[in-house]
Amino acid sequence: EDKVVQSPLSLVVHEGDTVTLNCSYEVTNFRSLLWYKQEKKAPTFLFMLTSSGIEKKSGRLSSILDKKELFSILNITATQTGDSAVYLCAVRESNYQLIWGAGTKLIIKP
Amino acid sequence: EAQVTQNPRYLITVTGKKLTVTCSQNMNHEYMSWYRQDPGLGLRQIYYSMNVEVTDKGDVPEGYKVSRKEKRNFPLILESPSPNQTSLYFCASSAKGQVGFWEQFFGPGTRLTVL
Repeated sequence: EDKVVQSPLSLVVHEGDTVTLNCSYEVTNFRSLLWYKQEKKAPTFLFMLTSSGIEKKSGRLSSILDKKELFSILNITATQTGDSAVYLCAVRESNYQLIWGAGTKLIIKP
Repeated sequence: EAQVTQNPRYLITVTGKKLTVTCSQNMNHEYMSWYRQDPGLGLRQIYYSMNVEVTDKGDVPEGYKVSRKEKRNFPLILESPSPNQTSLYFCASSAKGQVGFWEQFFGPGTRLTVL
């Protein structure tokens, strides 16, 4: 059965720390992997990864995909309280279907 | 402003009373989808539509119906709601690119409570 597993389920760090969130997957027909940030509302898109080894970067956030080992990581450097959210990983297994992980709840303490 | 809208945002109802949650997008997206989100279970797809008059079941379709008569609208219908359908519902849409569909844009969510 296709699945996406995120770890850790929750994480509490202090402002300024660097965090690494993990997303591993077992999917029959991988097309792409997506990261979303969800605060107390709808998920908002962060990155889409399709190729191994190519880092996507946006400010303090970056992500990379390893298609051989079937995982992706999302890094956040110099964390701020505004980074507190649930981070969702999803894998697109065909042209349209997404398989979602349960999310990592990140809490940044001032 | 490009957006996905849902109505209502909050709804408390009773078991068995038919309800409809509307979803509309103004981005001319082909693909639309409904999800429910429950604590610890993440996002689970209910139904999706790849274009007008084309709909298909997702992972948890039981107890739900959808229709796609127009490209912009994708209502979710609960014919006889039950308490286990209490959840946070999201509508999403995405455009079709050359190699499939791009990232999904989400509506603001509808928090449904069935008593």
